[in-house]
Amino acid sequence: GNSVTQMEGPVTLSEEAFLTINCTYTATGYPSLFWYVQYPGEGLQLLLKATKADDKGSNKGFEATYRKETTSFHLEKGSVQVSDSAVYFCALSDRGDAGKSTFGDGTTLTVKP
Amino acid sequence: EAGVVQSPRYKIIEKKQPVAFWCNPISGHNTLYWYLQNLGQGPELLIRYENEEAVDDSQLPKDRFSAERLKGVDSTLKIQPAELGDSAVYLCASSLGKTSGETQYFGPGTRLLVL
Repeated sequence: GNSVTQMEGPVTLSEEAFLTINCTYTATGYPSLFWYVQYPGEGLQLLLKATKADDKGSNKGFEATYRKETTSFHLEKGSVQVSDSAVYFCALSDRGDAGKSTFGDGTTLTVKP
Repeated sequence: EAGVVQSPRYKIIEKKQPVAFWCNPISGHNTLYWYLQNLGQGPELLIRYENEEAVDDSQLPKDRFSAERLKGVDSTLKIQPAELGDSAVYLCASSLGKTSGETQYFGPGTRLLVL
């Protein structure tokens, strides 16, 4: 079956530091890939996505590139802010059964001033 | 535009009691999902609806869990009887359709504590 493996947290950074959260996946088909973010007390919300190989998703300074050869979708940001403190989830959506999504366990990011 | 609405936000019950959660998806969204999220883990699908039809309920513990989506709009998830291990956050999400690149929109969740 499908699976998503995320870098274990928690991750603690100082403001303006560079962020990388690793995500690798296993899928039988050719999935779409997502990063969702969950702020304290809120539901998950889409941060960015990519639907085919070599696509780069980007939003709010975050980027991730769909790497089919390494089955990865690592999240990066050049300069984090305190407001980026949240839990980040990598997810995939099966192309064969398009409504079927698999989520990673989440990585908690804390950014200190 | 209103997002996905869930109620209640919090629920505390004693084991063996019944409990129900309600979800109203974004208007026009045909696909509705119920997820279970344990502490420190990602969401795990319980059931997925396409309109009023449950198209994937393979992970729903049918001996105690039930769900319905009457008229293909809002949905109710029920647990009867609740067990201590059911303590978790129950998330509802919706999406416009079921294509692979479709974004899911999540509600804030219902945090259940079973004592």
